[in-house]
Amino acid sequence: QQQVKQSPQSLIVQKGGISIINCAYENTAFDYFPWYQQFPGKGPALLIAIRPDVSEKKEGRFTISFNKSAKQFSLHIMDSQPGDSATYFCAGAGTALIFGKGTTLSVSS
Amino acid sequence: KAGVTQTPRYLIKTRGQQVTLSCSPISGHRSVSWYQQTPGQGLQFLFEYFSETQRNKGNFPGRFSGRQFSNSRSEMNVSTLELGDSALYLCASSLDRASYNEQFFGPGTRLTVL
Repeated sequence: QQQVKQSPQSLIVQKGGISIINCAYENTAFDYFPWYQQFPGKGPALLIAIRPDVSEKKEGRFTISFNKSAKQFSLHIMDSQPGDSATYFCAGAGTALIFGKGTTLSVSS
Repeated sequence: KAGVTQTPRYLIKTRGQQVTLSCSPISGHRSVSWYQQTPGQGLQFLFEYFSETQRNKGNFPGRFSGRQFSNSRSEMNVSTLELGDSALYLCASSLDRASYNEQFFGPGTRLTVL
């Protein structure tokens, strides 16, 4: 399976700050890039997604930036809140969803 | 409407045994995918079923198998359990092709192999 590399592994951000998580992919056949959010004891839930013909997508405080030529995309969480503390996974989709290894975000109050 | 349900939620087995996990997708969803989640490897794709047919398979040994029934419910089976099979097994359903539609995940089955 083609990899999706995600960084950082963990992130601590002050309340009100910006959280940034980066991902890089190898498989140019990927045509859908979702981000999932997972709380302890729960399954992942779709947060936001983008297709490669768009360079940016914003939904509320969450923004995906996509750079097709660099094969990179990132999640920005503006005005981070303690309730955003969770594990975030990026993924690339072709014939299957291939996930990054996750970023554990802690937002301190 | 009800979400994806998985049973059992927790399971303890010993090496060499086999186990069957069950997944009921959201009503109307026809695609079911299975994932293994471990701290070291993260979320890894096992297989996807659509209309009772396996459409795609990840890089797992043949000890891991699955099936889908006519009502879209799915089961996965792991035979000859190994310690390394201890993981959270997640099922996800979507309306159609899993890759193109939002996948809704269940809470998972936590399998511990002793």
